[in-house]
Amino acid sequence: AQKITQTQPGMFVQEKEAVTLDCTYDTSDPSYGLFWYKQPSSGEMIFLIYQGSYDQQNATEGRYSLNFQKARKSANLVISASQLGDSAMYFCAMREGTGRRALTFGSGTRLQVQP
Amino acid sequence: GAVVSQHPSWVICKSGTSVKIECRSLDFQATTMFWYRQFPKQSLMLMATSNEGSKATYEQGVEKDKFLINHASLTLSTLTVTSAHPEDSSFYICSAPGGLAGVRSYNEQFFGPGTRLTVL
Repeated sequence: AQKITQTQPGMFVQEKEAVTLDCTYDTSDPSYGLFWYKQPSSGEMIFLIYQGSYDQQNATEGRYSLNFQKARKSANLVISASQLGDSAMYFCAMREGTGRRALTFGSGTRLQVQP
Repeated sequence: GAVVSQHPSWVICKSGTSVKIECRSLDFQATTMFWYRQFPKQSLMLMATSNEGSKATYEQGVEKDKFLINHASLTLSTLTVTSAHPEDSSFYICSAPGGLAGVRSYNEQFFGPGTRLTVL
């Protein structure tokens, strides 16, 4: 079974509008972390936002917010006021357990911001 | 934030040759580093976990004799692709988990900029 599922291969959004990128996850570990990364065409992985499984509030980082619905096992990324520079691949990832563990990535969503 | 570097950023080699990729943590110590591989238009897949002072652990399906990993110090891990073939052409990315003071740093994973390998 897929541990991280991103069902949107591609998304379009108009500049200055908000967009939601979907992510669902599957784990039986009560302790886990959820990450969102942006990957532009250069290939670098840019950290956007992190949500811990025990965090009571949804994480926010500037124009990025994470809509964390634990019971539904979803961790959608919301980008407000989209900019042309937001066009990139976006990956949702999960770290199961605590400590220095690797991430499991979803298949990604390609976001294109249109002027 | 913490910085991870990779060298080279890209490499083109002939089939049958070996290629070494370096991953360095520049301002923090990394007892553990991860190596991922990303084929075009696909996601990142974990290849192996590099552990300073001990053998690397490889994911299922990854040939340890082909992808040699050496974690030489607390700031350096190397991945050597031995006898490279065109099917090994890919984007290789390393990462190191944080561990600095502060919850966020501990939970972060710091990625290198990646190495694009093309085998002719």
